[in-house]
Formats: sequence, structure tokens, C-alpha cells
Amino acid sequence: AQSVTQLGSHVSVSEGALVLLRCNYSSSVPPYLFWYVQYPNQGLQLLLKYTTGATLVKGINGFEAEFKKSETSFHLTKPSAHMSDAAEYFCGNTGKLIFGQGTTLQVKP
Amino acid sequence: ETGVTQSPTHLIKTRGQQVTLRCSSQSGHNTVSWYQQALGQGPQFIFQYYREEENGRGNFPPRFSGLQFPNYSSELNVNALELDDSALYLCASSTRGTGFEKLFFGSGTQLSVL
Repeated sequence: AQSVTQLGSHVSVSEGALVLLRCNYSSSVPPYLFWYVQYPNQGLQLLLKYTTGATLVKGINGFEAEFKKSETSFHLTKPSAHMSDAAEYFCGNTGKLIFGQGTTLQVKP
Repeated sequence: ETGVTQSPTHLIKTRGQQVTLRCSSQSGHNTVSWYQQALGQGPQFIFQYYREEENGRGNFPPRFSGLQFPNYSSELNVNALELDDSALYLCASSTRGTGFEKLFFGSGTQLSVL
């Protein structure tokens, strides 16, 4: 069975600090992994995706994620948080269109 | 902003009633997926339609049904509403291919069942 687990339902960082949102996956086949972001009162939009090839994936708004097969992880990072990054973030696996539970990112001034 | 529109934006129903939610997909997209997002949870896959045929279903009972029309717009129907059906219902359109399928989401319909 394929699934994803997001570690931490809420993450709070100061503006300018590193953002790290954690995601682990379970898949019996090579996964397609993704991160979507949901801003308040807006639809989800794709941040980045991993299919094959380079394991460090760069997305929009300065975010990136690294696929680590040995750790079954696909953590999302951004070197310096902006206030506008405050949103809900979802990791997922496209094998069965599976989304994680979500992590709310709070950015403090 | 995506080209995916959902209607209505909010809806209040009572237990036992039936509801129809509508989704207009982005131009050029032939696939529509529906999700249920309960408060504080991630989206749960309900089903997907590709060229008017159901193309995969999540763990939802048969009282959740759908349609896709020749113009690729779609409806989600829920019969015999239960209190637990209260959620944000999201529609996403895409173009089915052999690789990663990027989903374009609408803003959702907030359904409250009283």
C-alpha cells in the first residue's frame, strides 16, 4: 500500500529562518512524490514534484525538496521564510492520488 | 488562479438530503478528480473521471457518485447526507498522460450538514 506521513501538524518559524517540513512515504513501487500548498481561501497549487532523475527538486517560491530513498523521505525546505509563506502544506504520492494530513506553517515577524 | 471553478462556494443541507456539486475544468483538461477535505485533514480522494468514465475510486460509499460531461465539466452527487459529510469538497482538473499528472484545483465547495 502507498501512503505518506507528514511529521508535525504545525510548524512555526521566524521570518528569515530555515523552513523544514517533513514527509515520509511508504511505497512498494518507485513513487511520484509532490508538495502542494494551500493558501487561505484558495485552491491547492503544486509547489514541486519528484518523478525520476535528480533527487533534489526545485519548486516555486524558493522551495526545494530532496528525495532520499534510503530514508523514504521527501522533506520540503526553504532557506529563508517569508511572511507570505504562511499556509497549509501537503505532501503526497501520485500513485493513488494520496495526500498527507498537512502541515500548517506559521511565520512570525 | 487556475481555470477551475466550483459552485456553489457554500452550501448548507440537513441530514438525509441529497446534494449536487459542480466543477468546470480548465480548458484543455480531460480528467477531473474529486476530493473531500475534512477540517484539519488532508484531501481524501473520492474518484476520478477521464473522458466521461470513472477512472479510479477511493474508499467512499456508493452514495457518492459522479458524472463527467462531454465538455469535461463534472458533478459530484451525494445522497442520504450524513453529519460526517460536512467538509470542503475540492475538484481538480488535469490532462491524463503516462507520467506525473499535475492537478489544478478549484477553491472548493464548503458543505455543512446539520
